[in-house]
Amino acid sequence: ETGVTQTPRHLVMGMTNKKSLKCEQHLGHNAMYWYKQSAKKPLELMFVYSLEERVENNSVPSRFSPECPNSSHLFLHLHTLQPEDSALYLCASSQFGRGDEQFFGPGTRLTVL
Amino acid sequence: AQSVTQLDSQVPVFEEAPVELRCNYSSSVSVYLFWYVQYPNQGLQLLLKYLSGSTLVKGINGFEAEFNKSQTSFHLRKPSVHISDTAEYFCAVIASGGSYIPTFGRGTSLIVHP
Repeated sequence: ETGVTQTPRHLVMGMTNKKSLKCEQHLGHNAMYWYKQSAKKPLELMFVYSLEERVENNSVPSRFSPECPNSSHLFLHLHTLQPEDSALYLCASSQFGRGDEQFFGPGTRLTVL
Repeated sequence: AQSVTQLDSQVPVFEEAPVELRCNYSSSVSVYLFWYVQYPNQGLQLLLKYLSGSTLVKGINGFEAEFNKSQTSFHLRKPSVHISDTAEYFCAVIASGGSYIPTFGRGTSLIVHP
């Protein structure tokens, strides 16, 4: 695998389910990001991890819980979601502290019923 | 703090016509500028970037952009578009010396008609 991979690509869950999204980067970067992309809305930054420590959390509801066990892996744990949480969730990586571009995964299309 | 404004939410154009997608930014410090493209059901991928040096930057797929510091703009251009250029385009800025976390514009949907 190369670049940034995300699994699953599609996920349908009920409001009472618990699920996790997984992201893996094969680029040797030290920072990873979660974004939410809803229809007709700007890209929303959710979480930023640098060297496995959370450096930014943009007031995301507690039903979203990130985990970064090492610099290559990032998870987003989901529980008791709402229908308005349905969106494309994008993971990205980069070298933190430099003006470098981000590399994005293909995203997970989440539908909450 | 920096901000990015993409002035057009949607740009329709005919195939083989030229196109310009506009991006303006606001920052009190020097910046790094990026254009990304997102095809349906995919993540964003880098088209081009300005870090320093020449203000005219060439990217992939025949796109180019010009950094204009006095007008705080970084407009994206292509002289002749193809149907396959239909996608969402995002401008992004990173302010130097800060958190280095990018700020994205709202995106411009380029629709190329045959």
